[in-house]
Amino acid sequence: AQTVTQSQPEMSVQEAETVTLSCTYDTSESDYYLFWYKQPPSRQMILVIRQEAYKQQNATENRFSVNFQKAAKSFSLKISDSQLGDAAMYFCAYDDYGGSQGNLIFGKGTKLSVKP
Amino acid sequence: GAVVSQHPSRVICKSGTSVKIECRSLDFQATTMFWYRQFPKKSLMLMATSNEGSKATYEQGVEKDKFLINHASLTLSTLTVTSAHPEDSSFYICSAGGRDRGSGANVLTFGAGSRLTVL
Repeated sequence: AQTVTQSQPEMSVQEAETVTLSCTYDTSESDYYLFWYKQPPSRQMILVIRQEAYKQQNATENRFSVNFQKAAKSFSLKISDSQLGDAAMYFCAYDDYGGSQGNLIFGKGTKLSVKP
Repeated sequence: GAVVSQHPSRVICKSGTSVKIECRSLDFQATTMFWYRQFPKKSLMLMATSNEGSKATYEQGVEKDKFLINHASLTLSTLTVTSAHPEDSSFYICSAGGRDRGSGANVLTFGAGSRLTVL
C-alpha cells in the first residue's frame, strides 16, 4: 500500500526567508501524482502545487517549488520569501489517478509558523 | 478556478439526531465527490466516494448506515450522519474533481469543511 510520510510535525521560518518541508512516499507504481496542500486556520484545503511523476522537471508556482526525486521517492516543498500568510498546515499527498479521483493519501502534515 | 461550497460550516446537535451536510460544485459538474473526516491535529481520511446516480463507495471501516451519502445531481452530494453520537464529532470535508481552467489538469477542489459537534 502507498504511504506518505512527513517527518517534520512543525517548522518555523522568519518572514522573507526560505523554508523546505520534507515529504517521502512509498509506492510500487511508476506513474502517479504528488501534491502539496495548504490548510490555513480557516481549515479550507488549498492546492499549492502538483507534480506528475512522469515529468522530470520540478513544478514551480510563484514562490513555491518542489524538489522531486523519483528514485529516492522524495517530494519536498520549498517556500521562498516566506510571508505571514504562508502560516498553515501543509499536507503532502499522493494519488495514482491524477488527483480527480479522490484517492488521495495524505501525510500527517507539517505545521508551518512564520515569524515577523 | 473551481469552487466547492459546503454547508453548514458548523453544526451542533443532540446525541441521537441526524445531521445533513451539503457539498455543491458551484461552477462545474462533478460526477464524483469525496468525503473526508479530519480529527483535531490529524490528517484527512477518505471516508467515501460519492458517485452521481449510483451508490457511494465506502472505505474500509466506515459504516455505511451511519454515514449516508447521496449524490442525486452533478453538482450536489450530501452526507447524513445518522443517529449521531459524541464520537462522531469531527471536521468533515468534501471535495470534487474538476479540470483546472488554466493548466487543464484534473485537480481536486475542497469545500471549506463542516465542524460537527454532538452533545
